[in-house]
This record gives sequence, C-alpha cells and structure tokens, in this order.
Amino acid sequence: EVQLVESGGVLVQPGGSLRLSCAASGFIFSDHYMDWVRQAPGKGLEWVGRIRKKDQSYTTEYAASVKDRFTISRDDSKSSLYLQMSSLRTEDTAVYYCARSAGTSFLSAYFDYSGQGTLVTVSS
Amino acid sequence: DIQLTQSPSFLSASVGDRVTITCRASQGIRGYLAWYQQKPGKAPKLLIYAASTLQSGVPSRFSGSGSGTEFTLTISSLQPEDFATYYCQQHNSYPLTFGGGAKVEIK
Repeated sequence: EVQLVESGGVLVQPGGSLRLSCAASGFIFSDHYMDWVRQAPGKGLEWVGRIRKKDQSYTTEYAASVKDRFTISRDDSKSSLYLQMSSLRTEDTAVYYCARSAGTSFLSAYFDYSGQGTLVTVSS
Repeated sequence: DIQLTQSPSFLSASVGDRVTITCRASQGIRGYLAWYQQKPGKAPKLLIYAASTLQSGVPSRFSGSGSGTEFTLTISSLQPEDFATYYCQQHNSYPLTFGGGAKVEIK
C-alpha cells in the first residue's frame, strides 16, 4: 500500500524558515517524480513544485509564488522528500501535501497519491 | 501560465441526480487534464486523468471528456459519498495548475 506521511508543520514567524518532510512507503520511491501541493485555509489547491529522479539529475520546477524561497530535495536511500521553506510570508500559511507523480512525462504528470498533509502557519 | 476556470463553483443536487462540472483552460492543453475529489480535512483523491481515463478503483458513475480547452466531469447518478469539492488540474505544461474547485452539496 502506498503511504505518504508529511511532518514538520508548525507555527513560524514571518521571515522565518522551516523544513517539511515526507516519508514514503509501499512503492519504489526512486522511480517517481515527487511534488508538493498546498492549500490555504478555505481555499483551493496550489502546486508548489516538483523534483525529478536521479537520472534527470534531481532537477526541480517551482511555482512562481515560491521560486527562490523554497527548495525541494529528496533522499532516495531514506524514501524521503523534503521542502525547505525560507523567507516565509503570511500567505504561505497552508496545509502542505506531499504527492506522487504518476509518471515522468507530461501525459502522466498528475498526482496518483497524496499524503494527509501538514499545517504550516505563518504568523507573528 | 495556464488558467483553469471551473463552473459552476457551487452546485446543490440530490441523490440520484446527474451532475456535470466544466473546466475551461486559457489555452489548449491537448487531453492533459485530471480531476480530483476532496472531502473536508482529507487529501485530494485522483478520479480521472488524461481527460477521460478512470483511475483504478473509482466507480464507473464518474466519467470525463473533452480536449483542447473545454473539459467536463460527469457523475451519472450522485451518491451520498459524492458530496465533496472537485478540482481539475492541467498536466500539459509547467507550472502545473488547478481550477478553483466546484463544491457539490446536498439539496
């Protein structure tokens, strides 16, 4: 059974930093692109970014709203995904979901599994 | 960026009703559209990908159609467990984007 379990969400002050983690199990983690998706309270879903596999040099893509502030990384030996967030703003307050991309082409660039999310609150 | 506009954003329906939700893209996305269902406090669940392919385990009352810029999600006979919010997502180009959501409530 595929499982994605996020952790690390807390209350943080504006301008602060935070690292989220996602522990994956039930599939070969290194075979998949992985994503972060977020949802502000009472709002819709927003894609945050993606990290590709080792054979694509772990390259990344980001939404404009987080580019240059957020960094996605992965540790295939630990089946873990990370989101390093810096220069946090109040508008970054959201539930952050770890999601598995179904495949490696645009035809399969949708999310076939998501975790239950971790809440990040940015407030003074 | 590709904008996705869902309509209606809210609808009230009864058990057994046929429900259709539309998703319009600001530019052509071929057939690269997915649909998700989300219930309060839960993660989104994939229903349909590539516009019309049903994800494994999803009931056959759900169907998707469309290509280019206009897509639809249809629930042929609404069941109590289908009351939720539905999102479309384009997987044609970066940045990946979602529609604003369509909330289906009980009439």
